Amino acid sequence: DARVTQTPRHKVTEMGQEVTMRCQPILGHNTVFWYRQTMMQGLELLAYFRNRAPLDDSGMPKDRFSAEMPDATLATLKIQPSEPRDSAVYFCASGPGGSGNTIYFGEGSWLTVV
Amino acid sequence: GENVEQHPSTLSVQEGDSAVIKCTYSDSASNYFPWYKQELGKRPQLIIDIRSNVGEKKDQRIAVTLNKTAKHFSLHITETQPEDSAVYFCAAYNQGGKLIFGQGTELSVKP
Repeated sequence: DARVTQTPRHKVTEMGQEVTMRCQPILGHNTVFWYRQTMMQGLELLAYFRNRAPLDDSGMPKDRFSAEMPDATLATLKIQPSEPRDSAVYFCASGPGGSGNTIYFGEGSWLTVV
Repeated sequence: GENVEQHPSTLSVQEGDSAVIKCTYSDSASNYFPWYKQELGKRPQLIIDIRSNVGEKKDQRIAVTLNKTAKHFSLHITETQPEDSAVYFCAAYNQGGKLIFGQGTELSVKP
């Protein structure tokens, strides 16, 4: 049963610390999305990649957030420095590429910044 | 611009009744419309989807309808059960390949 794998599942950190979240997309999927969700609110798109190239990161606060795909099996989302308002669930999702394809979500990384 | 509007934000029904959630989208190039169900503390999971070349799709108690002219699509759940209680999200791709989600509908099915 192929799944998107995210680490860490839970993270509590102090304000100002760097946080790195990792995502392993489903093997063969070439599109990766990062979404943020707060208190069961909507899914806010932060960034997405196709064939490892960033296509859009307009939803991401550029001064502290960065997203990369070092290789086809790993996507990272980094926050530096973290702030309490960054507390949320960060979901990674992957799909087989192109508009019109289903995407599958990982379990999420639950981040709390104190 | 790119936007997906979803209504209502909360919906409460009695077990056995039907539930309808509606979404509108702005990008006329959108051609794929998935619906996800998210239970508390869990990830969103796909429950049904529809492509722009059909007007309706049904899977047991769940159906989705699409009106491309009006740019809206709806989720219909019949014979609701308590386990249908969750947050439901609609979504649509924009021309740039971004999958944009609606704001979510919290469905509560009362026994």
